Amino acid sequence: EPEVTQTPSHQVTQMGQEVILRCVPISNHLYFYWYRQILGQKVEFLVSFYNNEISEKSEIFDDQFSVERPDGSNFTLKIRSTKLEDSAMYFCASSGMGQGADEQFFGPGTRLTVL
Amino acid sequence: GDSVTQMEGPVTLSEEAFLTINCTYTATGYPSLFWYVQYPGEGLQLLLKATKADDKGSNKGFEATYRKETTSFHLEKGSVQVSDSAVYFCALTGGNNFNKFYFGSGTKLNVKP
Repeated sequence: EPEVTQTPSHQVTQMGQEVILRCVPISNHLYFYWYRQILGQKVEFLVSFYNNEISEKSEIFDDQFSVERPDGSNFTLKIRSTKLEDSAMYFCASSGMGQGADEQFFGPGTRLTVL
Repeated sequence: GDSVTQMEGPVTLSEEAFLTINCTYTATGYPSLFWYVQYPGEGLQLLLKATKADDKGSNKGFEATYRKETTSFHLEKGSVQVSDSAVYFCALTGGNNFNKFYFGSGTKLNVKP
């Protein structure tokens, strides 16, 4: 069964450093998403991406964040200068059609710890 | 804006007990509703979904009915197993925005033998 994969599973970084979280969505999907979950809190939407551009972003997704689809398979989230409050689990998701009823398939997550 | 509220956990049950996890939502338009499950160390997996009022989603013995009149989508299972121990998330998409999911805060279920 096709699945979304994410690497690394755990990333530890120093405050102010840049991190890149990587995702490989399901191969025939067209819509890609990043969510985050701060420990003990809700899963929060960060950004959606379609046709090589951002289609929507939340207020969390400020200038420190960027996304890219550098090739036909990877989808990355970059945080330019990490803050302590960026420590969270980051989930990548993809969907086929992006329509309201369409299931989003989630990866296992990357736990980011900022020291 | 759109939002989901679900009961706080943790919920601790004995094996074979009846489970209900409450979920209510606020949305404009006509959202689709979902339950996702997160097993320890794993990502979010779709458990069931319902796309319109009065639809019942079901999977692995779990059920939830889309109740527009009470804006609810409560998750139920008649007889839980130890293997059902996980965190359960209620979510919606649609309404005015089909481009993202809104999640509840998650409810941790512990099932004891």
